[in-house]
Amino acid sequence: DVKVTQSSRYLVKRTGEKVFLECVQDMDHENMFWYRQDPGLGLRLIYFSYDVKMKEKGDIPEGYSVSREKKERFSLILESASTNQTSMYLCASSPPSGIGRMDQPQHFGDGTRLSIL
Amino acid sequence: GENVEQHPSTLSVQEGDSAVIKCTYSDSASNYFPWYKQELGKRPQLIIDIRSNVGEKKDQRIAVTLNKTAKHFSLHITETQPEDSAVYFCASIPPRDNYGQNFVFGPGTRLSVLP
Repeated sequence: DVKVTQSSRYLVKRTGEKVFLECVQDMDHENMFWYRQDPGLGLRLIYFSYDVKMKEKGDIPEGYSVSREKKERFSLILESASTNQTSMYLCASSPPSGIGRMDQPQHFGDGTRLSIL
Repeated sequence: GENVEQHPSTLSVQEGDSAVIKCTYSDSASNYFPWYKQELGKRPQLIIDIRSNVGEKKDQRIAVTLNKTAKHFSLHITETQPEDSAVYFCASIPPRDNYGQNFVFGPGTRLSVLP
């Protein structure tokens, strides 16, 4: 069974801090994703990566960056945390896709509830 | 880009009744449509999916139907039980001409099954 592990379930940080959210998957998936989930807005894509050191902006990348140095690990970075980044953050992974491949479902982690004070 | 609408936003049914959630999408090239269930405080989990070459798929009490002409797909849950209470998300995935994956999620439907 696919396991996607996020380093923290709950995190409290202060405005202006640099925040790192870590995600690890154990299925050798090429694709990894970061979403934020807010009530009434569903899941919004922040960034995704389809290979090591490759990244692509999603719908709401402002204020965030990502790092993928190893295939199994995808980090989300809040360069200078602000209160409007208080949210639930979900990481997901999926097998390779695009260029003639069939899409496969994404598998999610348990989420990190981040509060910025 | 792809846009997914989902209705209703909330749904309450009596235990044993059926529930139907409908999603519409905009990109006629979309070819993969998964449904996720998210229980309170838990991760979204895939419950069923359908590809564009199939009109209907069923798994026990859950079924999904796809109307490519009208660009909508629906989740049907029969004989609902209290443990079906959750938020349900649909997604539409248009093809890409390079690597990666474009999941576009609907805003979610909160289903409450009343005992």
